[in-house]
Amino acid sequence: DIQMTQSPPSLSASLGDKVTITCQASQNINKYIAWYQQKPGKAPRQLIRYTSTLVSGTPSRFSGSGSGRDYSFSISNVESEDIASYYCLQYDNLWTFGGGTKLELK
Amino acid sequence: EVQLVESGGGLVQPGRSLKLSCAASGFTFSDYNMAWVRQAPKKGLEWVATIIYDGSRTYYRDSVKGRFTISRDNAKSTLYLQMDSLRSEDTATYYCATHGDWGQGVMVTVSS
Repeated sequence: DIQMTQSPPSLSASLGDKVTITCQASQNINKYIAWYQQKPGKAPRQLIRYTSTLVSGTPSRFSGSGSGRDYSFSISNVESEDIASYYCLQYDNLWTFGGGTKLELK
Repeated sequence: EVQLVESGGGLVQPGRSLKLSCAASGFTFSDYNMAWVRQAPKKGLEWVATIIYDGSRTYYRDSVKGRFTISRDNAKSTLYLQMDSLRSEDTATYYCATHGDWGQGVMVTVSS
């Protein structure tokens, strides 16, 4: 089974900051990683698929990069609507989620 | 517009069974692999099971193998999750999902 180590578990940012979340897979996942945003009481929403492809409707301040085992997700110019939890998902071999990152306002 | 609507959740005693359904619309259901994902209260997301688009293969996380069964009816565009021998640790919101689209979730509470 592939394990996904996501960090940090929580993040505090000011409006306008750039924040970065990382996920490391236990093996090469061939760029098959997606990133999701989840707000309290809501279903997760996919923002990025295949490492860096923005899903329709995802603002351009969101971005993703990486290869092999190491991947990152960034939000430039954090806005109040970005306050949420974020999860990575590997889908190279079945599915494995990262542990999540809770983004809060400083 | 893609819609995934789960139903069948509720309160159930440990050791009992429950069957979840997920009605799909807005896309060609029979073309897509489908999954169930769960989220325990205040916890992260956890993949539960996947079924291949034609129902030919199924996959489960270890903790539910032998207790849960994922299935689908492509003629009805519906995904199912039969959950037997339920445990308190199965308490969670259950989502059906394609890769990019998710339902709103249904709560399952296992408690005496």
